[in-house]
Amino acid sequence: EAGVVQSPRYKIIEKKQPVAFWCNPISGHNTLYWYLQNLGQGPELLIRYENEEAVDDSQLPKDRFSAERLKGVDSTLKIQPAELGDSAVYLCASSLEPRTVQYFGAGTRLSVL
Amino acid sequence: GENVEQHPSTLSVQEGDSAVIKCTYSDSASNYFPWYKQELGKRPQLIIDIRSNVGEKKDQRIAVTLNKTAKHFSLHITETQPEDSAVYFCAASLTGTASKLTFGTGTRLQVTL
Repeated sequence: EAGVVQSPRYKIIEKKQPVAFWCNPISGHNTLYWYLQNLGQGPELLIRYENEEAVDDSQLPKDRFSAERLKGVDSTLKIQPAELGDSAVYLCASSLEPRTVQYFGAGTRLSVL
Repeated sequence: GENVEQHPSTLSVQEGDSAVIKCTYSDSASNYFPWYKQELGKRPQLIIDIRSNVGEKKDQRIAVTLNKTAKHFSLHITETQPEDSAVYFCAASLTGTASKLTFGTGTRLQVTL
């Protein structure tokens, strides 16, 4: 069984540019999470989806970050415009249901210059 | 909200020795405590978890203990091996499930020969 797939693995952009990350969860998993992981820190939840619905986006900086999960499968996280402080690893995770174990993708490492 | 502190930030042990990582949490209502292992450049993977109605759980060389009164929980790895070298994250959840996790800052474990 394929795990959570994220792309790209690495992204380097200049500040003020837009960037998008893509996540394909494990087949059949209806809950999807986006996390931010700064260097030397644990993951911090940005947004959680149950199917197409964003049920917890309280930690998402909505002035520059947006996310969508059309059709309740793949998801995209976007930053526009990117700032230097956005340099981090963006992790996607999925679970079969909201109350079950989360499986993480390998992450996208973003560097903003 | 919940706050999770994790110690030590780095830990070096010799192969065959035991390793202990400790976490404290702030909200006494937290009731689910998973541990994730993250190897360099790879995704976090769940290695063991415990719920608040249990004081200890073991899985081969790995064990987790929970002290609800003191609001701390610990990961114990016995007979450490080089492949145990990784960053370990503890997490706590108020919901009793994996759906709302607050992570610690991580412990980098190095197992030397």
